[in-house]
This record gives sequence, structure tokens and C-alpha cells, in this order.
Amino acid sequence: KAGVTQTPRYLIKTRGQQVTLSCSPISGHRSVSWYQQTPGQGLQFLFEYFSETQRNKGNFPGRFSGRQFSNSRSEMNVSTLELGDSALYLCASSFGGSNEKLFFGSGTQLSVL
Amino acid sequence: DQQVKQNSPSLSVQEGRISILNCDYTNSMFDYFLWYKKYPAEGPTFLISISSIKDKNEDGRFTVFLNKSAKHLSLHIVPSQPGDSAVYFCAASDILTGGGNKLTFGTGTQLKVEL
Repeated sequence: KAGVTQTPRYLIKTRGQQVTLSCSPISGHRSVSWYQQTPGQGLQFLFEYFSETQRNKGNFPGRFSGRQFSNSRSEMNVSTLELGDSALYLCASSFGGSNEKLFFGSGTQLSVL
Repeated sequence: DQQVKQNSPSLSVQEGRISILNCDYTNSMFDYFLWYKKYPAEGPTFLISISSIKDKNEDGRFTVFLNKSAKHLSLHIVPSQPGDSAVYFCAASDILTGGGNKLTFGTGTQLKVEL
């Protein structure tokens, strides 16, 4: 069974640009969550999608958005990039119930110059 | 505010000994707790979880203890092995989420198991 796949693994962008990250969940999983990891900050929850609807949202500005497709694949978009957006962005999938363990991808390392 | 805290950024243990990783939380609504392990350049991997209705859960070498009155949980690894060297994250979710999964993570503890 294939794991959670995130593309690309690495991205370099400049301030003001926008970026789109992709996540393919484990087959059968309908929930996809996104997290941002920065040094010393742990993992910060961005949002969760289930059946193409945003079900939960973290405390990030509106520049961070996402969507989920009918096949459960998800994309995350960051517009007007800032230097502070440099981070590892992790996607996680689960079946979609509550209090489940999440399965994480290897992440996309975003560098904003 | 940091609702889940791992106050020890690093821990060094000898192979074969017990590793104890600690985690404190402030949100009394948290009802499910998890531990994840993370190697460099990889995503976090689930280790073990515990519901707030329990105070202990075991899985092989890993045991998680939950003390609700102290809002404290700990992960015990016995015996520790060199392959356990990684960053360990404590995470929690709360019933107010209203379904779904929204985990609040600690900042992690780097465990180093020495030969």
C-alpha cells in the first residue's frame, strides 16, 4: 500500500510569488490535513479537508488556502510569499473519523528568498 | 500560546537503558494523545496513542502514561536502541474539534541513544 505522496520535495521561491503544493493520500483515506513545521515551533496545523470540504482550520492568514478533489488528492496554495513562510510543509491522511492516527508524507521543503 | 509543551529539547540515553520523554499540556479539553517519531528528511511516523479514559497504553517497547490531573504524559522506551535516535513529538486533539483531526503538537525532543 503506497504511503502519502507529496510533490515536489523541494521548492525555492522569491518573496511575492505564489506556490502550490500537492498531496496524494493513502488509498481509501478521505481526510487530508496540512501542517507547517519550522525550527523550534513544532508542527502547526493549517487545515483539514474531508470529502472536498474544509472541516477544520488553524490560525494562519488567508494567504494560505487549500482544496481537495473528488479523488481525495489535495493541494495547498500560498500566495504573496513572505520570508517567514520558509518551512517544511507536511501533509497527512486518515480515513476521516475523529481521534485517528495520521499518516504523514515526507513533506515539501519550501525556501523563500 | 503553546498548549502542548515538551520542555526538554534533547535527551541522551545509553543503549539498553530506559528513555523517558515528557510532555505537558494546558488544554483540559484534550481527550486523545499521540506520540510521533521523526527522522531527518522524513515525515513523522505514528508510535503510540492513548485516550483520556486510560492512564496507560503499551505497545512492545513503548509505553505511554497519562496523568490527567497533572496534565502530563510520558513516553517510556525500554530498552532503548540506537535506531530510536530521532525527534519525538507529543500531540493532542480535543473534543471541541467536532469531528475530524486537528492535532496540536509539541516542539519535539531530540533523543540520542548512544552505544
